[in-house]
Amino acid sequence: GQNIDQPTEMTATEGAIVQINCTYQTSGFNGLFWYQQHAGEAPTFLSYNVLDGLEEKGRFSSFLSRSKGYSYLLLKELQMKDSASYLCAVRDGAGGFKTIFGAGTRLFVKA
Amino acid sequence: DAGVTQSPTHLIKTRGQHVTLRCSPISGHKSVSWYQQVLGQGPQFIFQYYEKEERGRGNFPDRFSARQFPNYSSELNVNALLLGDSALYLCASSSTRQANEKLFFGSGTQLSVL
Repeated sequence: GQNIDQPTEMTATEGAIVQINCTYQTSGFNGLFWYQQHAGEAPTFLSYNVLDGLEEKGRFSSFLSRSKGYSYLLLKELQMKDSASYLCAVRDGAGGFKTIFGAGTRLFVKA
Repeated sequence: DAGVTQSPTHLIKTRGQHVTLRCSPISGHKSVSWYQQVLGQGPQFIFQYYEKEERGRGNFPDRFSARQFPNYSSELNVNALLLGDSALYLCASSSTRQANEKLFFGSGTQLSVL
């Protein structure tokens, strides 16, 4: 079966660092994505990992461990505009035609 | 360049009715995926089409169907609407079906079933 788990909500302070974890169990694996979704808007792409390790892109970094079925998204120097839902998604390996999303983590950034 | 466009933006239907949702991908994109998103949840995969053929299907009943046209636009059809079909329906496009292809989402169609 397919299962993607991430915390429901997190709260952090402006200027701080926050780590959003994601664990997954899928029938196949062709990479892991993180998307950001502001309330009332469409998801937008943040990062893609297919090999183990850390990918850094500005204030955002994403880590993958395939053997542990684990990823995290690291947000540094938090800004109020980072308040959004963060969706962990796995590209299914069976044919590679599905991107399966987790329920998302709602991040609240407070002043 | 235009992004992914969906129509209509909002729709109100009653139980038992049928609905057609439309999606135009980014120019040059050949793959279209449909997702259902209930408030507070992540998008649930419904279908993926690539080069006008169905390439993937999620765990949705046969009341849900879709197709892709020669210009790569797509329609999602839902028959015999149920209250539980009320959700945001998102369309996403990508240029190929390679594993690392990110999805570009439209703003969605908000469907309310009364």
